[in-house]
Amino acid sequence: GIQVEQSPPDLILQEGANSTLRCNFSDSVNNLQWFHQNPWGQLINLFYIPSGTKQNGRLSATTVATERYSLLYISSSQTTDSGVYFCAVAGNYGQNFVFGPGTRLSVLP
Amino acid sequence: DTEVTQTPKHLVMGMTNKKSLKCEQHMGHRAMYWYKQKAKKPPELMFVYSYEKLSINESVPSRFSPECPNSSLLNLHLHALQPEDSALYLCASSQAYGTSGGYEQYFGPGTRLTVT
Repeated sequence: GIQVEQSPPDLILQEGANSTLRCNFSDSVNNLQWFHQNPWGQLINLFYIPSGTKQNGRLSATTVATERYSLLYISSSQTTDSGVYFCAVAGNYGQNFVFGPGTRLSVLP
Repeated sequence: DTEVTQTPKHLVMGMTNKKSLKCEQHMGHRAMYWYKQKAKKPPELMFVYSYEKLSINESVPSRFSPECPNSSLLNLHLHALQPEDSALYLCASSQAYGTSGGYEQYFGPGTRLTVT
């Protein structure tokens, strides 16, 4: 099945800093989503982005499908950005949604 | 409205109990999913329902029994669970499920299950 890697595994930032999270995947995908899991366990949809670039406020994402990676940019980070960021993909040849291991982000005041 | 609701939020059950988790969506989605998430791990797919029929069972033990009574509701019946089944159980839905394209999934807040 499709493999998903995320880096870095852990990230500690001061409030106001910028960061880039990376997701690599091993095969062609027709679905790629970025989620933020808050401390209560809720998975919040950030982006549905199987290809291209999207922006939503301080967050933006880019997926380069031909090179099999996606990037999530967080600018001017806030303490409420803390939590785990997951990338999840579904491959072209199998529809099951596979999550990466996540990046645990801590934003310090 | 992109909301998926789950009840209960928390559940504690003994190994001989029978309980059920409930999931509901009113987005008109025809695919619904159950995921299991252990602490500090990513969610893992358990079951997929498409048009109220079970499409995928990821080799889940029979002590977990899913049910899709209608297109808006998804239940997970639990019986004779083990302590290692303690986890966060997440429900999701999407417009459809199939090989023709990828569909954005929306997740509920989860049920935190503890088996004693």
